[in-house]
Amino acid sequence: DAGITQSPRHKVTETGTPVTLRCHQTENHRYMYWYRQDPGHGLRLIHYSYGVKDTDKGEVSDGYSVSRSKTEDFLLTLESATSSQTSVYFCAISESGAYGNTIYFGEGSWLTVV
Amino acid sequence: AQSVTQPDIHITVSEGASLELRCNYSYGATPYLFWYVQSPGQGLQLLLKYFSGDTLVQGIKGFEAEFKRSQSSFNLRKPSVHWSDAAEYFCAVGASNNNDMRFGAGTRLTVKP
Repeated sequence: DAGITQSPRHKVTETGTPVTLRCHQTENHRYMYWYRQDPGHGLRLIHYSYGVKDTDKGEVSDGYSVSRSKTEDFLLTLESATSSQTSVYFCAISESGAYGNTIYFGEGSWLTVV
Repeated sequence: AQSVTQPDIHITVSEGASLELRCNYSYGATPYLFWYVQSPGQGLQLLLKYFSGDTLVQGIKGFEAEFKRSQSSFNLRKPSVHWSDAAEYFCAVGASNNNDMRFGAGTRLTVKP
């Protein structure tokens, strides 16, 4: 299994509060990704990072921000959580961004916004 | 932009029976195609991938998939299903790099004893 640790694994929060999800990797991979998984939609990319302090938006980035101050850590922040952000969030990593490189996924973080 | 459709939300098969999960993609050029499996409470694991070359791709756990350009399909198959194959399966299509990947909505597989 790829060395990816997500925290917290489960969280319930109230609407309007800030939430930060953390992804930690031990593989020294350059690329890191945050996806959300919702029924009927599969996985959708929120943001990704291609190096320390280098990040870019994905398909569904509105309402989310990210930061990567170290190779091993990629943080996803919901500045003011809304019920529509109730989802399962997956961190993923890959050695490079090219399709020759497999994407490895973490075990997910279940977030409920009430 | 590329897209992928998995027509079957849920499939039930008996243990030992053959399995085929359907995946149709939309993309103007030759796509990069993937199948992932997700066990309950777990992340996704890559089963196999197609970039070019032989259109029949072998993967892990006894799975294979066939790329058919004329049908825009990349169906996943297994000759004999085991109870441990019960999971959700995702097809994905990509264009040029990993951040362009698009996932299907998934097919949940139930295996009957």
